Amino acid sequence: RKEVEQDPGPFNVPEGATVAFNCTYSNSASQSFFWYRQDCRKEPKLLMSVYSSGNEDGRFTAQLNRASQYISLLIRDSKLSDSATYLCVVRNSGGSNYKLTFGKGTLLTVNP
Amino acid sequence: DVKVTQSSRYLVKRTGEKVFLECVQDMDHENMFWYRQDPGLGLRLIYFSYDVKMKEKGDIPEGYSVSREKKERFSLILESASTNQTSMYLCASSLGGYEKLFFGSGTQLSVL
Repeated sequence: RKEVEQDPGPFNVPEGATVAFNCTYSNSASQSFFWYRQDCRKEPKLLMSVYSSGNEDGRFTAQLNRASQYISLLIRDSKLSDSATYLCVVRNSGGSNYKLTFGKGTLLTVNP
Repeated sequence: DVKVTQSSRYLVKRTGEKVFLECVQDMDHENMFWYRQDPGLGLRLIYFSYDVKMKEKGDIPEGYSVSREKKERFSLILESASTNQTSMYLCASSLGGYEKLFFGSGTQLSVL
């Protein structure tokens, strides 16, 4: 099983739609979880951290299920500007606890 | 705002050349990272540094070395460039907690 796995997509949705991305991770000792966003030909940027109790930032909701080793990102009322690749990122505990492992990303296109 | 600056946006080199990729950050961050990003493979960590003159190997260090003589500068060195090192190279920095990475805009390196 790969360390961090995401559905690569692409996801094509109309404006206003709700879309959900899933991510699984293999290391049960993983400590921290994040979603990054990468626009075409740009660098990744932190979108939000994922907390155990779940957290929301405007139209974005992130959830963590430690038992199933599963992270999700929900985007409500999609905007054209949400079109990007969404990267699931996991930080592991242990010796290299500064190491972040990136998923390969899920491509989202929001259409008018 | 944190700024991470990579010296070149595009670089073309020949097989066997020694290549230097430079990265400078302006926010006094302890940690600096070099990733490469390839289609279908995502971001992979090459090397990171958590202090001046300190470095640790990431997942794919073969064929690369790094130098961190000053806190703000982290250099990636390809001792003898090969065609399989053609890639997008992304530098990043973070404050002590490793939680949020700030990326440079990347260097697209082509080795011919």
